[in-house]
Amino acid sequence: DIQMTQSPSSLSASVGDRVTITCQASQDIGNFLNWYQQKPGKAPKLLIYDAANLDTGVPSRFSASGSGTDFTFIISSLQPEDVATYYCRQYKKRITFGQGTRLEIK
Amino acid sequence: QVQMVQSGAEVKKPGASVKVSCKVSGYTLTALSIHWVRQAPGKGLEWVGGFDPEDGETVYTQRFQGRVTMTEDTSTDTAYMELSSLRSEDTAVYYCVTDRGDAFDFWGQGTMVIVSS
Repeated sequence: DIQMTQSPSSLSASVGDRVTITCQASQDIGNFLNWYQQKPGKAPKLLIYDAANLDTGVPSRFSASGSGTDFTFIISSLQPEDVATYYCRQYKKRITFGQGTRLEIK
Repeated sequence: QVQMVQSGAEVKKPGASVKVSCKVSGYTLTALSIHWVRQAPGKGLEWVGGFDPEDGETVYTQRFQGRVTMTEDTSTDTAYMELSSLRSEDTAVYYCVTDRGDAFDFWGQGTMVIVSS
């Protein structure tokens, strides 16, 4: 099985800060990677598909990059409504999620 | 727009089975690839299994093999996930979700399954 190692597991940042989350795959997954946002008590929401493509309606402060085994997710200017847990997901072979990154406002 | 409405919360005893339903509207079930994801309290997302259109069959993550069965009733556009031999570690919210190929896009609201003696 492909393992996804996401870091950090939690982080605290101020409004307006640039936030970076990384995800590392245990083997080459090409660009078969998503990023999701999950708010408490809600289902996850798709933000990014194919490693770097913003889904429809997702604010442009969110971006992502990477291919192969190393991936990065960025919020360019943190907003209060971005408080959530973020997950990466590979879909190259079967499906695996990262462990999640809990993001809070400092 | 696809909508997914799941059945209500369940409380089961260890060793029992649970069957969660997911009613699809806005699209016919035969045109969709349905997957199931679970989330234990305070924990991350875990893929349980789903339909793989490349293989033409339903696939399950290894740790649930033999305990989980996913079925569909196309006459009612309802998908089902049945999990047997329940243990306390199966306590979780179970989500149905559509797979568009490059992402999971439409999610059900989740069904809480509690396993407790």
